[in-house]
Amino acid sequence: GNSVTQMEGPVTLSEEAFLTINCTYTATGYPSLFWYVQYPGEGLQLLLKATKADDKGSNKGFEATYRKETTSFHLEKGSVQVSDSAVYFCALIGSGGYNKLIFGAGTRLAVHP
Amino acid sequence: GAVVSQHPSRVICKSGTSVKIECRSLDFQATTMFWYRQFPKKSLMLMATSNEGSKATYEQGVEKDKFLINHASLTLSTLTVTSAHPEDSSFYICSAIALGTSGGVSYEQYFGPGTRLTVT
Repeated sequence: GNSVTQMEGPVTLSEEAFLTINCTYTATGYPSLFWYVQYPGEGLQLLLKATKADDKGSNKGFEATYRKETTSFHLEKGSVQVSDSAVYFCALIGSGGYNKLIFGAGTRLAVHP
Repeated sequence: GAVVSQHPSRVICKSGTSVKIECRSLDFQATTMFWYRQFPKKSLMLMATSNEGSKATYEQGVEKDKFLINHASLTLSTLTVTSAHPEDSSFYICSAIALGTSGGVSYEQYFGPGTRLTVT
């Protein structure tokens, strides 16, 4: 079945450091890929998405590229801020998935001044 | 816009009792709502999909008689955990898709903040 694997956290960085959170997936066909973010005490929010191979999703300085050859969708940001501290979830909707999101385990990011 | 609320945010109940969790879309109408369960340090697991006015569709392994879902209006879905046991303790999260969106795979789901259930 479809699944998502993302790097375990927590990830601890200093402000302005470069961020990478790895995400790989297993799915048949051509899934749509997502990154969600959950700030403390809040619900999950869509951060970015990509719906076909080689698409790059971007938002708030974060980027992720849909790599079908490596079945990956790694999240990157060039310079993190303290306000980026949150839990990040990689997710997919499979082909014909009727909006059913399949999530990775989540990666907690802590950014220190 | 696109705010989803859940009530209560935390609930503690005794084993054998039932507890109801509400999920409301505050500023939009939701044709479809989803219920997830999240274990500590684990991913969100989809429990069921509910469409307004029809029976919920449960994922494999989820007991529909234990987790009763009612989507009575376009802004409210409820999850009732019946005869709760300590192993039902978990974080329950709902999400909603807005009315008017057509079929497809790249919708945005709007998530509630979650409800922490503890069964003693």
